[in-house]
Amino acid sequence: DAGVIQSPRHEVTEMGQEVTLRCKPISGHDYLFWYRQTMMRGLELLIYFNNNVPIDDSGMPEDRFSAKMPNASFSTLKIQPSEPRDSAVYFCASSQNPQLEQFFGPGTRLTVL
Amino acid sequence: AQSVAQPEDQVNVAEGNPLTVKCTYSVSGNPYLFWYVQYPNRGLQFLLKYITGDNLVKGSYGFEAEFNKSQTSFHLKKPSALVSDSALYFCAVRDMGTGRRALTFGSGTRLQVQP
Repeated sequence: DAGVIQSPRHEVTEMGQEVTLRCKPISGHDYLFWYRQTMMRGLELLIYFNNNVPIDDSGMPEDRFSAKMPNASFSTLKIQPSEPRDSAVYFCASSQNPQLEQFFGPGTRLTVL
Repeated sequence: AQSVAQPEDQVNVAEGNPLTVKCTYSVSGNPYLFWYVQYPNRGLQFLLKYITGDNLVKGSYGFEAEFNKSQTSFHLKKPSALVSDSALYFCAVRDMGTGRRALTFGSGTRLQVQP
């Protein structure tokens, strides 16, 4: 298995633009997590899905952020409109069940100018 | 609510010396505990976990961690550090006393191993 795949690896955009981050979890993993990492706030959980259903989105910063998982092999995190304070590395992770470790993707480095 | 504390932002150790990276946790039920490592420009990689059983857990790359329930700690250790161990280390916890499936991560500790 190729592991968790994220795209793009780097994204530079201007304030106000829409940004879409993509994630393909490991096949057979029922849980998918989106995290954001910044120097100031560390690693924050944004949202997680179980069997494609959002379970906990309490970490989503505000209404500008939305996440979907239309099927077991694909998820998106969308920011509309983007702001400079959204600049961070966004990680996607998946796991087979909560007792087992999460496998992280390489991350998307987002820069909003 | 579950929480994790990593009291040291950075740990410096000489190559060949033992290393310890500290982690304490707070949960309402029993904890699941994890250590992850992050190398520059990479995602987090799993090192080891404690679910139940022996308090001393052995993981990847020669790392081990000791679960101490009375001190609510899960310190990461290695008998002999390598320069290649230099990275950012995260402790994480899941509280089995709640229905929450997600992990809570600590703030991370940067390990610097000097040659």
